[in-house]
Amino acid sequence: AQSVTQLDSQVPVFEEAPVELRCNYSSSVSVYLFWYVQYPNQGLQLLLKYLSGSTLVKGINGFEAEFNKSQTSFHLRKPSVHISDTAEYFCAVTRSSGGSYIPTFGRGTSLIVHP
Amino acid sequence: DAGVTQSPTHLIKTRGQQVTLRCSPISGHKSVSWYQQVLGQGPQFIFQYYEKEERGRGNFPDRFSARQFPNYSSELNVNALLLGDSALYLCASSKSLVDGTEAFFGQGTRLTVV
Repeated sequence: AQSVTQLDSQVPVFEEAPVELRCNYSSSVSVYLFWYVQYPNQGLQLLLKYLSGSTLVKGINGFEAEFNKSQTSFHLRKPSVHISDTAEYFCAVTRSSGGSYIPTFGRGTSLIVHP
Repeated sequence: DAGVTQSPTHLIKTRGQQVTLRCSPISGHKSVSWYQQVLGQGPQFIFQYYEKEERGRGNFPDRFSARQFPNYSSELNVNALLLGDSALYLCASSKSLVDGTEAFFGQGTRLTVV
């Protein structure tokens, strides 16, 4: 079984400040890791993903994440946030199961950027 | 190119009724997945279809069923609706089932059961 824990339900931050959204996962097998963003009344949009290779992954909108296997973490970071980054962020892990991949999402972290 | 489209966008149903939600994937995408997102939670996987065959099923009761058509569009059916079925239902499409393939999400159908 696999699970994803997003340690913070809400992260308030001021505009132009750095931010880190934390994600820890548990799985007995190798996994792939994703971060998605969801704006109000919208579906999810992929920010970035880790499949293999370099543990530092760069995504869209200036976001990046670092895969840490020993700590089973995949934290999302941005050096300087904008008001428009206010949204819900979801960490997800997938693993292969019988020829398909089944994703597990965390409960989400609400990023609130204040002017 | 059109993204993943879902219909209807909003729906209100009464307990015990049945509902059908529809999803059209991005052109060229052969896989469709369905998710339930309860307010304040992450999406929960319901079904995955590829080439009209069910390839994955989440931990949902048999009241939930789905199918994929030859044009790769999909329907999710929920029978005997309960208040707890109120949620945002998301559809996602992808080109294949290869691990790590990006899934593109629609805007969802907001289902309210009263």
